[in-house]
Amino acid sequence: NAGVTQTPKFQVLKTGQSMTLQCAQDMNHNSMYWYRQDPGMGLRLIYYSASEGTTDKGEVPNGYNVSRLNKREFSLRLESAAPSQTSVYFCASGGAFADTQYFGPGTRLTVL
Amino acid sequence: QKEVEQDPGPLSVPEGAIVSLNCTYSNSAFQYFMWYRQYSRKGPELLMYTYSSGNKEDGRFTAQVDKSSKYISLFIRDSQPSDSATYLCAMRSMEYGNKLVFGAGTILRVKS
Repeated sequence: NAGVTQTPKFQVLKTGQSMTLQCAQDMNHNSMYWYRQDPGMGLRLIYYSASEGTTDKGEVPNGYNVSRLNKREFSLRLESAAPSQTSVYFCASGGAFADTQYFGPGTRLTVL
Repeated sequence: QKEVEQDPGPLSVPEGAIVSLNCTYSNSAFQYFMWYRQYSRKGPELLMYTYSSGNKEDGRFTAQVDKSSKYISLFIRDSQPSDSATYLCAMRSMEYGNKLVFGAGTILRVKS
């Protein structure tokens, strides 16, 4: 039982490059979330998926797209990376309500 | 103004001290309150969950909610060096559905 896994752990991109962050959970949760964490800003929700086949914007969706591939997997794509997207990205999953969320180990992304 | 305010610290205390961590919020619709603990370079993990005003105790940890003052607290008794982490408050309202609003987190350092 691995919980929530994320790949890659670290990534360095140049401005304008694209990449996809992968997330998978093995807890049979319906809801999945993508957050970014920046110093002094806490966790900010980028996108979430309440169930397979649905996605919704969070607080800071600009510059990102998501895909809920199936119940287990939820990916985050940066189409044209910008230095402002330098951050630590966390994926989380949860049950019927958002209160108990299980987080992955994070992806540290630097955009030069 | 942020919906949830949390002093970033760092808060440095000696081992064995009682620690008080706090958050204030502006939206009176928040009903569900959580504390997450995040060790360095790890994802957050749920520590405490409360629904109503009052206290909830779990071992050395006590969560307190005062809805009339829009103020929540986490108390740690007999603090240990292993408690050194960032503590994030989070809250949810029915109008937000399955989305949490996080505070920026308080860095706690317990010195042995």
